[in-house]
Amino acid sequence: AQSVTQLDSQVPVFEEAPVELRCNYSSSVSVYLFWYVQYPNQGLQLLLKYLSGSTLVKGINGFEAEFNKSQTSFHLRKPSVHISDTAEYFCAVQTQGGSEKLVFGKGTKLTVNP
Amino acid sequence: GAGVSQSPSNKVTEKGKDVELRCDPISGHTALYWYRQSLGQGLEFLIYFQGNSAPDKSGLPSDRFSAERTGGSVSTLTIQRTQQEDSAVYLCATRQGAGYGYTFGSGTRLTVV
Repeated sequence: AQSVTQLDSQVPVFEEAPVELRCNYSSSVSVYLFWYVQYPNQGLQLLLKYLSGSTLVKGINGFEAEFNKSQTSFHLRKPSVHISDTAEYFCAVQTQGGSEKLVFGKGTKLTVNP
Repeated sequence: GAGVSQSPSNKVTEKGKDVELRCDPISGHTALYWYRQSLGQGLEFLIYFQGNSAPDKSGLPSDRFSAERTGGSVSTLTIQRTQQEDSAVYLCATRQGAGYGYTFGSGTRLTVV
C-alpha cells in the first residue's frame, strides 16, 4: 500500500519569503507524484506533477518540486510567496497501473502574512 | 461539460435519512473517483469507476455507502441511514487517461444534524 506524509500541518511565512512544503511517500511500486492546491472554499487544482524524466518539475504560479527517489521525497518550493498563495496544499501519489487512485497526504496549510 | 459538476453543492440532512450525491464528469473521461474530505483528515479514497464498473471500492467505509455509474457518465453516491460522522465534503474527480492528473469537482458539503 502507498502512503504520503506531509510533515507540517501548518506553515506560516511572510510575503516574499521562500517556502518549502515537505512531502515523503512510501510505496513498493512505481508511482507518479502530484501536488494539488485548494484555495479557501474552492475545489482542488493541480499544481504540478512528476511522471518521469527530469526530477525537477515546474508548475503553475511559480512553484516547483524535486523528486528524490533515494529519500522518497517530493518537496514543494517557491522562492518568493505572495499573499494569494495562502491555501492548503496536498501531496499525492498515484500507482502506475491498476486503479491508479490517488493517495493523499493530510495537507499543509500555508498562510502568507503581510 | 467543461468541468466536473457536482450537485447539490450543500446538503443538510437529519440523522438516519438517506442522501444521494451526484457527479457529472467531463465528457470522455472514463475513470471516475469519489473522495471524502474531512476536517484534519485530508482526502480519503472511496471508490473508483472505470466505465460503469467499479473495480476498486475498497475505500467505502461501511455497507451504508454505495455508488453507481450509468452510461459511463453520471455517477451517484448514496449514503443510507446517515450518521453525524458522515459529515464531510464529498469530492468527485475524473481522469483523462493513464498518467494524467485528476480534475476535481467543487464537491458536496454534507452536514448531518
